[in-house]
Amino acid sequence: GAVVSQHPSRVICKSGTSVKIECRSLDFQATTMFWYRQFPKQSLMLMATSNEGSKATYEQGVEKDKFLINHASLTLSTLTVTSAHPEDSSFYICSARGGREWGGELFFGEGSRLTVL
Amino acid sequence: AQTVTQSQPEMSVQEAETVTLSCTYDTSESDYYLFWYKQPPSRQMILVIRQEAYKQQNATENRFSVNFQKAAKSFSLKISDSQLGDAAMYFCAYMRGNEKLTFGTGTRLTIIP
Repeated sequence: GAVVSQHPSRVICKSGTSVKIECRSLDFQATTMFWYRQFPKQSLMLMATSNEGSKATYEQGVEKDKFLINHASLTLSTLTVTSAHPEDSSFYICSARGGREWGGELFFGEGSRLTVL
Repeated sequence: AQTVTQSQPEMSVQEAETVTLSCTYDTSESDYYLFWYKQPPSRQMILVIRQEAYKQQNATENRFSVNFQKAAKSFSLKISDSQLGDAAMYFCAYMRGNEKLTFGTGTRLTIIP
C-alpha cells in the first residue's frame, strides 16, 4: 500500500510550549487527511478532517485554537498543539486518503507520542 | 450518528486455532464500507480486510474472512490458523462514501503458544 510518514515519532516538551507534528503522504497525493488522538488502551478519536487548501473541519469538543491544523500541500498536513499542557499528552495518528488509483483507501501514519512535562 | 460496537474487550486463542471477533454497527445508510484494522504494539494501523455494503459476498484475505450480515448490521472477523503475529488490538470501522472512519472500541487479541 501507499506510505504515510509522521514526524516526530516521539516528542517531549515542557508545559506551555508548542509542538508541531507532520504527516506526509510519500507516494501519493492526498486531498484529505485526518487527525486522530488515541489514549492508552482506547480507540482512535477523530479530531479533525483536513482538506488541502481549506480550513480544517473539527469534531465537536476539539478546540481549534488549541490544535491548529494546516494542509498546505497535497502531500503534507501539520498538527500544532499550542501551549501544550500535561493533559495534551497522548498518541496522535494521521491518515491520508488515497486517490482513485487507491480506491479511496485510507493509509495511516506511524503515530506520534507526545509527552508534556 | 453512526456507531460501531465491539462487545469483546479481550479475546484469546490457541495458536493454530480459529477465533471470531464480533462487531455490530448502527446506520440508516444503505451504501457504506466496513473495515477491520489491526494495531500491533508498534501502534501502526494496518488494514486487515474491507467490505463494501453493496456486495453480498463476504470478503476474504488469506486467513482472514468476514461474516457480513447487512440486515443484522453485523460484521464479524474470523481469523483461521492463528499465528503469534496476529496478536494485536483489532478495530472494526465504518465509513460512508468518502467521509470519515468511525471506529469501534477495539478487541485485544492474545495468541496462546
